[in-house]
Amino acid sequence: SQQGEEDPQALSIQEGENATMNCSYKTSINNLQWYRQNSGRGLVHLILIRSNEREKHSGRLRVTLDTSKKSSSLLITASRAADTASYFCAFLDYGGSQGNLIFGKGTKLSVKP
Amino acid sequence: SQTIHQWPATLVQPVGSPLSLECTVEGTSNPNLYWYRQAAGRGLQLLFYSVGIGQISSEVPQNLSASRPQDRQFILSSKKLLLSDSGFYLCAWSPSPQETQYFGPGTRLLVL
Repeated sequence: SQQGEEDPQALSIQEGENATMNCSYKTSINNLQWYRQNSGRGLVHLILIRSNEREKHSGRLRVTLDTSKKSSSLLITASRAADTASYFCAFLDYGGSQGNLIFGKGTKLSVKP
Repeated sequence: SQTIHQWPATLVQPVGSPLSLECTVEGTSNPNLYWYRQAAGRGLQLLFYSVGIGQISSEVPQNLSASRPQDRQFILSSKKLLLSDSGFYLCAWSPSPQETQYFGPGTRLLVL
C-alpha cells in the first residue's frame, strides 16, 4: 500500500508542551504536506515541504523531511488547547501526475489545558 | 479569495435511495476537483478527481459516480445507496495537480 503512516495514532499532552508527530511513506515523493482536521470539519492545509527541502517553519510549526529514511515529522511548539485536532500527512506520489494525494490515517492530538 | 462550498452539511438517507452531493468553488478558474470519503477515525480515500469539465477519473470501483457539469461544480451521485456508503464526504480543489489542496467543510452522510 502507498498509504502514509502516522505515529503515534493518538497523543495527549499538557498545554505548553511540545507535540511531535511522525509520518513514514514507502514511495518516492514530489512533496509532502501536513493537514489539520478539527472534529467533524474539513481539512486545513498547514505546510508543504518539497522533496529537496529538509526543514520548514511556519509560526509554532516545524516540519522536517528525511527522504533517505522516507519520513517526516511535524513539531508543534508551546501547544495550546486550540491545537487539539487530528493531523494528517499527505504526499504526492512521484508518479502521480494528476496530483493524487495519498493520506495517512492521522494522529489525534489532545492538548489539555 | 477562493472559497469552496459543500451541501448539504448532513444527510440521513435510507438504503436504496439516490444521492446527490454538490460542491462548488468560487474565486478561481479551471480548478482540479476531488471527492474524498473518510470513514470514522480513518484517513481519506480518494474517490474521484477531475481536471476539467466532463473529465472524471475514478480511483475505486463502487456504486458512486461523479460529474462536472460546470467548471467550478462537482457532483457526487449514487442511484442506490448502500449502508457502507455512510461516511464523511469531502470535496477539495487545487490550482494544479502538484499544489496544495483546499478542502470544503464536508457532508456527513448516514445511510440507514
